[in-house]
Amino acid sequence: KAGVTQTPRYLIKTRGQQVTLSCSPISGHRSVSWYQQTPGQGLQFLFEYFSETQRNKGNFPGRFSGRQFSNSRSEMNVSTLELGDSALYLCASSGAGTVQETQYFGPGTRLLVL
Amino acid sequence: QQPVQSPQAVILREGEDAVINCSSSKALYSVHWYRQKHGEAPVFLMILLKGGEQKGHEKISASFNEKKQQSSLYLTASQLSYSGTYFCGTEYRGLTGGGNKLTFGTGTQLKVEL
Repeated sequence: KAGVTQTPRYLIKTRGQQVTLSCSPISGHRSVSWYQQTPGQGLQFLFEYFSETQRNKGNFPGRFSGRQFSNSRSEMNVSTLELGDSALYLCASSGAGTVQETQYFGPGTRLLVL
Repeated sequence: QQPVQSPQAVILREGEDAVINCSSSKALYSVHWYRQKHGEAPVFLMILLKGGEQKGHEKISASFNEKKQQSSLYLTASQLSYSGTYFCGTEYRGLTGGGNKLTFGTGTQLKVEL
């Protein structure tokens, strides 16, 4: 079974631009979660989507948004980029997104904002 | 609130044992343990649900003490391949809307040397 894939793997943007990141979950998985990882803050939860609906949300500003498509693929968008948005963005998928389930992480998209 | 992991870093000689702790100030529902090597995605190790159970994965095991709101990861007879950063991810009781929302600790850097 193919794992979680994320595209692109690396991205360089400038302040004020917007960016869209993509995540394809493991086949059959319906829950996709997004995390931001930085050296200072560690791994922080952004949001989770299940059946095309946002089910949980972390404490990030409205510039961070996402969506999920009917095939469970998910996209994350960051508008008006700031220098502090430079980070590794990870998505993770699980079957139904219950507390007993494993979340499988993708390789991440490393975003650098200049 | 972010769970607190201790120690922050540890260096072992191959064959030595280590314990990594993850403590929460809020009532826990489950604890997920991951290991991340530099430049790679976090890799799932195990999930522990409420009930004080202990689980094992090769020479890595973990316990979950619901009353103390704490989980411990035990690495025995460490190998070079155990090097990496270990994260605990916690899910709390009372999560509305169901689904996943892992709150990760700051991580424990473990290095195994010959």
